[in-house]
Amino acid sequence: SQQGEEDPQALSIQEGENATMNCSYKTSINNLQWYRQNSGRGLVHLILIRSNEREKHSGRLRVTLDTSKKSSSLLITASRAADTASYFCATDERENAGNMLTFGGGTRLMVKP
Amino acid sequence: DGGITQSPKYLFRKEGQNVTLSCEQNLNHDAMYWYRQDPGQGLRLIYYSQIVNDFQKGDIAEGYSVSREKKESFPLTVTSAQKNPTAFYLCASSPAGHGNQPQHFGDGTRLSIL
Repeated sequence: SQQGEEDPQALSIQEGENATMNCSYKTSINNLQWYRQNSGRGLVHLILIRSNEREKHSGRLRVTLDTSKKSSSLLITASRAADTASYFCATDERENAGNMLTFGGGTRLMVKP
Repeated sequence: DGGITQSPKYLFRKEGQNVTLSCEQNLNHDAMYWYRQDPGQGLRLIYYSQIVNDFQKGDIAEGYSVSREKKESFPLTVTSAQKNPTAFYLCASSPAGHGNQPQHFGDGTRLSIL
């Protein structure tokens, strides 16, 4: 079963606008990660936020984590056409041994030039 | 450059046939994973291995088998018992340990039924 649920499932914006994607999960986690997938390719790791962190930045990406609401958001600022991809959240659940991740269903982002 | 190589990129399976998907990594990672992705969906874990000669079933292991004889290699066999094998298969690796490590992915193998 999938832990994370992304919202929205699909998002279409104009170049230059900001894109916000949300992820909700059910169980206690060690960390939450965001990945990007271009069509027909593998996933690329974007950012990891630990359960004791509330916000993290990487370039044009900003991730927040609210463990009390079991939710996270990914904000992409000043979007570009090259940001068009699917974005997935993945949780490292506290009850799991090792480094296993549980992925959500993803948000498909289209950025129009 | 270090990375994960999956081959072939496209694979076709006939009825009743077993097929094997290759996954090789030169990142010196202990842990390796196989995922299945159906169109428009997220990833589901098939099998994972934390160390050589050891592996565990994931959420959807039925109809699949794996081996881990070398650290660098984690091949996945889709057996004839898997009745709906058409999907995109992704292999990943990560350092061993107890989390807080990103996974590195290959570019996938797309499997279709003839």
